[in-house]
Amino acid sequence: EPEVTQTPSHQVTQMGQEVILRCVPISNHLYFYWYRQILGQKVEFLVSFYNNEISEKSEIFDDQFSVERPDGSNFTLKIRSTKLEDSAMYFCASSPNGLAGDEQFFGPGTRLTV
Amino acid sequence: DAKTTQPPSMDCAEGRAANLPCNHSTISGNEYVYWYRQIHSQGPQYIIHGLKNNETNEMASLIITEDRKSSTLILPHATLRDTAVYYCIVRGTGTYKYIFGTGTRLKVLA
Repeated sequence: EPEVTQTPSHQVTQMGQEVILRCVPISNHLYFYWYRQILGQKVEFLVSFYNNEISEKSEIFDDQFSVERPDGSNFTLKIRSTKLEDSAMYFCASSPNGLAGDEQFFGPGTRLTV
Repeated sequence: DAKTTQPPSMDCAEGRAANLPCNHSTISGNEYVYWYRQIHSQGPQYIIHGLKNNETNEMASLIITEDRKSSTLILPHATLRDTAVYYCIVRGTGTYKYIFGTGTRLKVLA
């Protein structure tokens, strides 16, 4: 069964450093998403991406964050200058077409420790 | 804020049906009800979704009331591996995001 994969599983970085989290969405999916979950808190939406453009983003997704689909398979989340409060699990998800009745499939997550 | 209300926790005996309720009284006509679960800190796992009709798949059944203001997720024969946090999410057109609440922590007891 196809699945979303994420690398690395755990990333440790120092405050102020740039990190890139990587995701390989399910191959025939067209919409891609990033969510995060701070330890003990709710899963929060960050951004959705379609056709090489951001289609929706949350207030959390400020100028420190960027997303990219550098090739036909990878989808990345970059944090330019990490802060302590960026420590969280980051989940990538993908869906076939982004419609209301469309389900999103999540990856296993990357634990970011700043 | 999440548009759904769920009990914070439930217990279920192994082998019995687990019935997880969700209230979504402000749901609008084009919004679907989705159920996901999260085991420890793993990625949310899709279970089932529906619009108006009841739905069933290999994992669970979804019962949506006629007025669509509430729904119930049914795990027909709960196992210890079903212990997880279960999220009921409402999403319609005009947005791509899921808004997760705090969910129901289901504990399946041996």
